[in-house]
Amino acid sequence: QSALTQPASVSGSPGQSITISCTGTSSDVGGYNYVSWYQQHPGKAPKLMIYDVSKRPSGVSNRFSGSKSGNTASLTISGLQAEDEADYYCCSYAGSSTYVVFGGGTKLTVL
Amino acid sequence: EVQLVESGGGLVQPGGSLRLSCAASGFTFSSYAMSWVRQAPGKGLEWVSAISGSGGSTYYADSVKGRFTISRDNSKNTLYLQMNSLRAEDTAVYYCAKAVSNVVVTATLDYWGQGTLVTVSS
Repeated sequence: QSALTQPASVSGSPGQSITISCTGTSSDVGGYNYVSWYQQHPGKAPKLMIYDVSKRPSGVSNRFSGSKSGNTASLTISGLQAEDEADYYCCSYAGSSTYVVFGGGTKLTVL
Repeated sequence: EVQLVESGGGLVQPGGSLRLSCAASGFTFSSYAMSWVRQAPGKGLEWVSAISGSGGSTYYADSVKGRFTISRDNSKNTLYLQMNSLRAEDTAVYYCAKAVSNVVVTATLDYWGQGTLVTVSS
């Protein structure tokens, strides 16, 4: 059982927007502004899409955005494209004993 | 261009040992913390361990503490993971990943290798 809770799957049509939630506790997501999101295509390594809740690394499309409210972080993808179909994982710093925790992953299907 | 190339995976019996390597290039290796993250077949990502740029600080997930040892050789630009007392539940693809800074324990890993598969089975 993963430390952070994500929906197993979400779907959307091209051009639409979707949001993936990531629920933790005050010891991880809610306690620090250190939430990242990773995209993983089948058989590939994860790719950093969002860090520090809402920052985008250079080269990542501005269609990807992140936010946080309380113990829940969210990843929003706007203007869905076929290439966005992948697994998405949230990740949070979790303090000086647990260190780093991941969510269980969400499979995004572009219809 | 940053490159991380893992090696050393394979089939090992329960209770056995294996050492993974991660060869880094394209950045000043000693200036950045590094991590190992694993993914069991068909499952999600699990943080395993992290090490500072100097190698002086190391951290482990509870699931591997006392069995795994992370280390690095900055003269060879290489990260290691020594895995002892391996269990079936350690079966996974193991990824090395670069931190965005020398902050050791971080959720922000900006480059990842392609992974190496470790299978623990008799």
